[in-house]
Formats: sequence, C-alpha cells, structure tokens
Amino acid sequence: RKEVEQDPGPFNVPEGATVAFNCTYSNSASQSFFWYRQDCRKEPKLLMSVYSSGNEDGRFTAQLNRASQYISLLIRDSKLSDSATYLCVVNNGNSGNTPLVFGKGTRLSVIA
Amino acid sequence: EPEVTQTPSHQVTQMGQEVILRCVPISNHLYFYWYRQILGQKVEFLVSFYNNEISEKSEIFDDQFSVERPDGSNFTLKIRSTKLEDSAMYFCASSRMGSRETQYFGPGTRLLVL
Repeated sequence: RKEVEQDPGPFNVPEGATVAFNCTYSNSASQSFFWYRQDCRKEPKLLMSVYSSGNEDGRFTAQLNRASQYISLLIRDSKLSDSATYLCVVNNGNSGNTPLVFGKGTRLSVIA
Repeated sequence: EPEVTQTPSHQVTQMGQEVILRCVPISNHLYFYWYRQILGQKVEFLVSFYNNEISEKSEIFDDQFSVERPDGSNFTLKIRSTKLEDSAMYFCASSRMGSRETQYFGPGTRLLVL
C-alpha cells in the first residue's frame, strides 16, 4: 500500500476556476502534514503546512481529517502561475529528523 | 532570504565513476537531508544527518552512498561507483529543528550516468 496517495492528474482548469486536490496517507501515526509545490525540473517548495483546524493562506485552503487520514488543498481563483505539480507530504516522526514522505504529486495546468 | 545551495547543477558521469554532490544548508539549520527524484517519479528520502552522524537512512542508501559534513558549512553526498539507475535529481534539504519543522530544499543536482 502506498504511503501517500494523491489524485491522479493532470487537472486542466481555466483561469479563475476553483480546484481541489485530495490526498490520503496510510500511517495513522503521521504527525505533520504539508503541501509542497514543484515546478518542472525544480525543487519542491513549501506551499503550506496543514493543521487539524484547517488553515488558509490567501487563495489556498488546506484541511486535515485525521480520522479519515485525508488531506485536501483548495485553490480559489486559479492563476496561470499556479500551474505546477502539487505534492502531498507527510512526516511520521515526533522527534528527531525523520524523513518526509512524498506523494507522487498532482499536476495542475491553468489555462488562459 | 537564506537558501540551500547545491553544486554542481548538472553532472554527467560514466558508470562506475565516483561523484560527489555538494550542498550548503541554511546557516542556522541543524538537520540535513538528501532526497532523490528519478524522472517522472516521486521524491524519495535517502538519508538524514544530525550532529555529525547519520540519523536515518532508506534502503536506497546502500554501501555505495556516503555523506559527510567536512567543515562547518558543506554537506556532501558521495556515490562511490555510479550505476545507470543512479541517474536522478538529487535534492539537499535542511531544517532548523527536527520533524515538525519545515524542510527547505536546494535547487538540486541533476545526475546523469552513462
């Protein structure tokens, strides 16, 4: 069973659309959750951490459901510059430097 | 804003050769990591490093791999005898503290083994 599973992409949406990505994780002991963004042939960059209470950063909203082991990312009013691969990432550790576990990513293309 | 830097950006090598990939983590960070991403695949953990020793390593990180912090700023990944399947993008990351802290990634080194 894959540790972190994401929606298969690609998502092709028009500018201004709202798009939602889903992710599930298999390890119920996972402690920290993130969405990273990765542009083509570039490094992953943190988009936002995900908290149990849900959190919002401008047009981006992340939700965590620990009971269902489910994470979501909502992007409102999509911009062309939002085109990228969105990586769902979990960290299973509570101390020390345990590694990040990445999903394969969901590719988003925002079209003019 | 401080960044993780990596050199070289690209490396082409012959199978069986040794390569050293270099990273300069963010200066006040204490935890260092190497990840790799084969083209079209997900990012995979290789090794984490803290207090001058390996904290954790994946099954990918076999005897052909080693890491070192030779001075106060550099963090290196050595592949002793490269194989074709080592071709990938190698990312260095660092974090200020451990697991709950954000890991910041360098721009990566693209390694091609011929």
